[in-house]
Amino acid sequence: QQQVKQSPQSLIVQKGGIPIINCAYENTAFDYFPWYQQFPGKGPALLIAIRPDVSEKKEGRFTISFNKSAKQFSLHIMDSQPGDSATYFCAASSYDKVIFGPGTSLSVIP
Amino acid sequence: KAGVTQTPRYLIKTRGQQVTLSCSPISGHRSVSWYQQTPGQGLQFLFEYFSETQRNKGNFPGRFSGRQFSNSRSEMNVSTLELGDSALYLCASFGGVNTGELFFGEGSRLTVL
Repeated sequence: QQQVKQSPQSLIVQKGGIPIINCAYENTAFDYFPWYQQFPGKGPALLIAIRPDVSEKKEGRFTISFNKSAKQFSLHIMDSQPGDSATYFCAASSYDKVIFGPGTSLSVIP
Repeated sequence: KAGVTQTPRYLIKTRGQQVTLSCSPISGHRSVSWYQQTPGQGLQFLFEYFSETQRNKGNFPGRFSGRQFSNSRSEMNVSTLELGDSALYLCASFGGVNTGELFFGEGSRLTVL
C-alpha cells in the first residue's frame, strides 16, 4: 500500500515531442505529489508538485495531470529538448513519509 | 542560501571496512533523510532524522546507522562493507510545509572493492 508505481522505465523521444510519464499510488493518505529531475552526477531536484485537490498544474513546459479517483498522476513535458534528458522520479508524500517511484530515464534526441 | 553539502563526494573502500558519510543540510532545516541509489533500484530510503531523533527507518540491515547533531548536521555509517553497498548515497533536507519537498545534495559515491 506504500508503493508508488511508475512507467515507463525508459523513454526515448525526438526533440519537440511530448514525453509522458505515469505514476500510480494506493495509499489515500498521500497528500502531496512531487516530481524530481535528476541529471547524471547530480542529486534529484524538485521539478513540480501537485496536491490532490487540483487536477492539473503547469509550470513552463512541465505539466502534472492528477486523477484522484484513479489514484494516478502523470508528467507531460511539452516541446521536449535534449537538455530535458534526465531521470525523472515521481513521489507521493504524507505528513511523515515520502515514497518514490522507481524512476524513468528520458532521452530526448535532436 | 547554501544547498545541502555532502562529503566526501567519492570514496573507495574494501570489503569489511566501515565508512562514515557526512551531510550538512540547508540552514534552518531540521530534518535530514538518507537514500541509497543504485542502478535499477531507484531511491531506497535509509532513515530520517529530525531534531537529533530518528523519526523513520527504511528496510536496511543494522550495518547501516546514522545520527544527527544539534546543529542538524547528520552522519551515516556503514560497517562491515559488502560489495553490494556500492552506491550513490544521497542526503536530503526538509524544512518546509510539504514533507515531499526535499532538497538533495549531490551525493557520496561509494565503491566497495
